Amino acid sequence: EAQVTQNPRYLITVTGKKLTVTCSQNMNHEYMSWYRQDPGLGLRQIYYSMNVEVTDKGDVPEGYKVSRKEKRNFPLILESPSPNQTSLYFCASSLPQGKPQHFGDGTRLSIL
Amino acid sequence: AQKVTQAQTEISVVEKEDVTLDCVYETRDTTYYLFWYKQPPSGELVFLIRRNSFDEQNEISGRYSWNFQKSTSSFNFTITASQVVDSAVYFCALSEGNSGYALNFGKGTSLLVTP
Repeated sequence: EAQVTQNPRYLITVTGKKLTVTCSQNMNHEYMSWYRQDPGLGLRQIYYSMNVEVTDKGDVPEGYKVSRKEKRNFPLILESPSPNQTSLYFCASSLPQGKPQHFGDGTRLSIL
Repeated sequence: AQKVTQAQTEISVVEKEDVTLDCVYETRDTTYYLFWYKQPPSGELVFLIRRNSFDEQNEISGRYSWNFQKSTSSFNFTITASQVVDSAVYFCALSEGNSGYALNFGKGTSLLVTP
């Protein structure tokens, strides 16, 4: 089954404790991205990757890191999480050039 | 500046009513793509439709229809004979080549369909 898998689905943690949200897709998509969803603000892109070893900032990259060492994986790293990063996070993948993005089920992060 | 505007924050209708969700976008690209996604209460994002800037044909899929008008920079979504299962947040999004084809989402319209 074609899917984008995020882990964990839920996480409560404390300020400053490094965490990684994994994202994996099995559709051989070149394009992957991370979004965060906040009430009243909709979905905003954090980082995206056009292909392996090619990543770029989205609209709200501060406090986040990503890497794309393999085509299927695109982890989101919070080196020193803060409460303002409490949010619902979505990973997505697609073929290039404006093709529909397929989203994971979301990861709800709470940073205390 | 917001590139996609969904002016309706919340809409409430009674089952079987028709409802139109508005989407206005802003771009200088000649090649771009427009999307609608649905987010039901369970939280996942479901792709509904994609349109490219060169195809202004309206589209109908069952009870769903989309009206793309470049002259007014609008891509409106109509649900005919709404059902309770249509209750969700609906997002319109724009993808442009000069931003790496990232999805710029509107803030969403929350649709509540009551029996």
